[in-house]
Amino acid sequence: NAGVTQTPKFQVLKTGQSMTLQCAQDMNHNSMYWYRQDPGMGLRLIYYSASEGTTDKGEVPNGYNVSRLNKREFSLRLESAAPSQTSVYFCASSLRQTHYEQYFGPGTRLTVT
Amino acid sequence: SQQGEEDPQALSIQEGENATMNCSYKTSINNLQWYRQNSGRGLVHLILIRSNEREKHSGRLRVTLDTSKKSSSLLITASRAADTASYFCATDSGGGADGLTFGKGTHLIIQP
Repeated sequence: NAGVTQTPKFQVLKTGQSMTLQCAQDMNHNSMYWYRQDPGMGLRLIYYSASEGTTDKGEVPNGYNVSRLNKREFSLRLESAAPSQTSVYFCASSLRQTHYEQYFGPGTRLTVT
Repeated sequence: SQQGEEDPQALSIQEGENATMNCSYKTSINNLQWYRQNSGRGLVHLILIRSNEREKHSGRLRVTLDTSKKSSSLLITASRAADTASYFCATDSGGGADGLTFGKGTHLIIQP
């Protein structure tokens, strides 16, 4: 039982490049989330998926797109990376959207130069 | 926007002492959760307290919630070096919308 897995662990991009961050969970959770964590800012929600087939914007969605590929997988895409997107990205999942704890992946450290 | 604000931002204590961290939030909530993050790692869930609960215990952890003051506290008793980490409160504001809203965290250092 791996929990929440994320790939890659580290990535360096040049401004304007695109990439997709992958996330998968094996806990049969319905809800999945993408957060970014910047120094001194805590975690901020980028996008979430309350259930398979639905996605919604969070607090900081600009510059990102997501795909809930199936119940297990939730990917985050940067179409044209900018230095302001340098951050640590965390994927999380929970059984339901409210009243349940979230389980976090190990994170992806992204640097955009 | 940040819903929760932890206080203090940093705390350093001796091993064996108790550590208390506080969290204040702005809007009504369904529940409040505390998470721990070790350096360079993902967050780990510690405890969830619902809005109709006032106190909850889990091992060496004690969480209180005062909805009238919109505040919560996390007490770690008999601290250990392994408790060194950042601690975040997170609120679920309800209505089925959004994920959790996190504070900026308290960085706790346990001196051996």
